Amino acid sequence: KQEVTQIPAALSVPEGENLVLNCSFTDSAIYNLQWFRQDPGKGLTSLLLIQSSQREQTSGRLNASLDKSSGRSTLYIAASQPGDSATYLCAVDNAGNMLTFGGGTRLMVKP
Amino acid sequence: NAGVMQNPRHLVRRRGQEARLRCSPMKGHSHVYWYRQLPEEGLKFMVYLQKENIIDESGMPKERFSAEFPKEGPSILRIQQVVRGDSAAYFCASSKRGAGSSYEQYFGPGTRLTVT
Repeated sequence: KQEVTQIPAALSVPEGENLVLNCSFTDSAIYNLQWFRQDPGKGLTSLLLIQSSQREQTSGRLNASLDKSSGRSTLYIAASQPGDSATYLCAVDNAGNMLTFGGGTRLMVKP
Repeated sequence: NAGVMQNPRHLVRRRGQEARLRCSPMKGHSHVYWYRQLPEEGLKFMVYLQKENIIDESGMPKERFSAEFPKEGPSILRIQQVVRGDSAAYFCASSKRGAGSSYEQYFGPGTRLTVT
């Protein structure tokens, strides 16, 4: 059974810092891995999707990497801004049927 | 191109009543997934449907919960005889899939169910 863990659970940084969010998974036989952003009381916004054959994906100030063999992914946020404050969720697709989510990292970027 | 639509956005039910949650997938998407987010917990998969078929319901509680995705119209998640523990945010996602590979899932805004 796939288990997804995100560390840290919460993170507070000053504006402008570069930061890394971590995601680990126990079963490396994945189709893809997605990073999402969730604002309080809102739905999920997809940030990046990395297929199992890829090593990384980039979108603006975001860069996500995937190391299937070690069961890890990182989300790198450059030059953080207060608007980046949200919960970031990592999810893996094993069977092609469902996403297994981590518990999330709650990020606060202080002005 | 409208995204995944869910309604209602907020639903209040008394214990014992029925709750019906609706999800319209993105245009061109024929695969629908339901997830539940309990207070202070992570998102958990419930059920995966294609038109007129339930593909995987391994995450659905055995009793009181059912889901359908008819040939015409939205997907429906139905909860009978709701209890306080059903209070949660229910999210629907859709994707366009091809055989042998998986596609990105796009999420709706969710329905927040409160059972009083």
